[in-house]
Amino acid sequence: ETGVTQSPTHLIKTRGQQVTLRCSSQSGHNTVSWYQQALGQGPQFIFQYYREEENGRGNFPPRFSGLQFPNYSSELNVNALELDDSALYLCASSSGLAGGRNQETQYFGPGTRLLVL
Amino acid sequence: AQSVSQHNHHVILSEAASLELGCNYSYGGTVNLFWYVQYPGQHLQLLLKYFSGDPLVKGIKGFEAEFIKSKFSFNLRKPSVQWSDTAEYFCAVKAYGSSNTGKLIFGQGTTLQVKP
Repeated sequence: ETGVTQSPTHLIKTRGQQVTLRCSSQSGHNTVSWYQQALGQGPQFIFQYYREEENGRGNFPPRFSGLQFPNYSSELNVNALELDDSALYLCASSSGLAGGRNQETQYFGPGTRLLVL
Repeated sequence: AQSVSQHNHHVILSEAASLELGCNYSYGGTVNLFWYVQYPGQHLQLLLKYFSGDPLVKGIKGFEAEFIKSKFSFNLRKPSVQWSDTAEYFCAVKAYGSSNTGKLIFGQGTTLQVKP
């Protein structure tokens, strides 16, 4: 167990709806990254948050947005859901940006499985 | 664009066989390298990592990996696999100096099935 928790574990939505996924980082970690893992694929980077600011973004449209709170927990929001958004959404926490940007190790939570119908 | 390639998509071995999973990346600069494992029904777990120094790194559960800079490779090895090693294995790379400094780039994974 890494200490990274995510909620909910599973979610079913319909096309066009909006969804919010939540992540609590491991104790002592101040950085949260979000990834999308489609079936049979490796995780793809969505964005990272450090000190409540977005710190890098992958190739995802603006309808994917996020927040980080003062306690370092984070939310991923997806608007106007599409069928292709069906995936496992992973949150990872790390402390590398405080301890050294080039020594960052990300630890993953169990994920939220989203199904869009 | 940076990418990570895992050549073996599905590997089937008998217990006690030796394992080597290939991982190559495309980035000419300095990298951090990782292998993660996802056991059935469990979350991604860190097996081992390379930041700098000795290119042969040892991880948990008897796994090791060797960074060969000239070949842009970071292959995972285990001398004798067990049934409990059945899982999906992901190689991941973090590139220094890229605009997405927090970004881990993953390969598409290798499914390892160990027969008892």
